[in-house]
Amino acid sequence: EDQVTQSPEALRLQEGESSSLNCSYTVSGLRGLFWYRQDPGKGPEFLFTLYSAGEEKEKERLKATLTKKESFLHITAPKPEDSATYLCAGASKTSYDKVIFGPGTSLSVIP
Amino acid sequence: GAVVSQHPSRVICKSGTSVKIECRSLDFQATTMFWYRQFPKKSLMLMATSNEGSKATYEQGVEKDKFLINHASLTLSTLTVTSAHPEDSSFYICSASSYESPNQPQHFGDGTRLSIL
Repeated sequence: EDQVTQSPEALRLQEGESSSLNCSYTVSGLRGLFWYRQDPGKGPEFLFTLYSAGEEKEKERLKATLTKKESFLHITAPKPEDSATYLCAGASKTSYDKVIFGPGTSLSVIP
Repeated sequence: GAVVSQHPSRVICKSGTSVKIECRSLDFQATTMFWYRQFPKKSLMLMATSNEGSKATYEQGVEKDKFLINHASLTLSTLTVTSAHPEDSSFYICSASSYESPNQPQHFGDGTRLSIL
């Protein structure tokens, strides 16, 4: 059964303290691995798509990487506005649209 | 970019009432629309997938007669919670996908907070 897990469940960082969020996946024939950001009371906002092991994507203080079993979201020198829940999701080649979401990591960045 | 509008953002109603939630893709044609339910501090739980002009495909454990989904056009899908009860209170989120955006499989609305008294 396809599955996506994330760790840690929650993370508190001081402003400027870099860290990484982990996403482990078992998706048969992975077509894409996606990262979303979700603010309270809002829908998820798309961040990145990764397609193959070794691929990296960057956006401001965020960098996403992908291996054959995991993806990492690295946050460099975070700011309070980076506080949100970060969701990881995987899609298999057999399903273009349907994705499997992980439980998310709730990130709090303290000034 | 692709924008999905969901309405209403919040609804409070009495037990036994039916509630309709709309999901519109504003600047693209949605090949497929998805409806999710999200409990506090939990991830998204897929309820159903709908393609324009077809019957929705419901996930296991989701009552078809309780959660009616209509996808009448390529830009509009509706979710109707029939005879809602307090246990149906939740955050409902829709998303839409299009072959015009192959790198971003789903575009999300901002959700509807449903509270049944």
